[in-house]
Amino acid sequence: DAKTTQPTSMDCAEGRAANLPCNHSTISGNEYVYWYRQIHSQGPQYIIHGLKNNETNEMASLIITEDRKSSTLILPHATLRDTAVYYCIVRVAEMGSNDYKLSFGAGTTVTVRA
Amino acid sequence: EAGVAQSPRYKIIEKRQSVAFWCNPISGHATLYWYQQILGQGPKLLIQFQNNGVVDDSQLPKDRFSAERLKGVDSTLKIQPAKLEDSAVYLCASSLGLTGELFFGEGSRLTVL
Repeated sequence: DAKTTQPTSMDCAEGRAANLPCNHSTISGNEYVYWYRQIHSQGPQYIIHGLKNNETNEMASLIITEDRKSSTLILPHATLRDTAVYYCIVRVAEMGSNDYKLSFGAGTTVTVRA
Repeated sequence: EAGVAQSPRYKIIEKRQSVAFWCNPISGHATLYWYQQILGQGPKLLIQFQNNGVVDDSQLPKDRFSAERLKGVDSTLKIQPAKLEDSAVYLCASSLGLTGELFFGEGSRLTVL
């Protein structure tokens, strides 16, 4: 699986958009980008994933560059409850396979401040 | 919908003792994972089951760790004998396997003294 690079930590203001970058310059054409987050003392929580098009759901938006070498997770209106470690993961989703194991790095520790 | 259930939430043992963790996945989820998360690190996959068969156990320290998933539902992870470096949170996750969206339990925190 391609490796990802994320900043170790970042702060953002409550009510503002939080933009979390992720570099995955060695990503292959059949690898998806997944984002998970882990709030303190809880298990990781799925946020969003995409292949090449931008994606949006009720939690966040995912912007993937045209060359797919980097992506940005956007939390549109950060709240204090968004304080967590955010993991960017790339993973092959093999057709006809149920093998979706994910390899987590250290992630970005995001602190939302009032 | 009930989430992934794990027990116990906390366990303290001495080194060389044994411990077992239990996981009940979301109903209907065929794929089950055990991850180990050491403090300050991201989760590391130990083993993945598809129904009651093992898909990947390449990172499981088989001299001391074992896991089973009888009848393709509940799973148990056992450590025997435990070492100090096994102190970690053990996370169980399940998925339908169709979207790559994993659902995690709250984890079992193990402290080995």
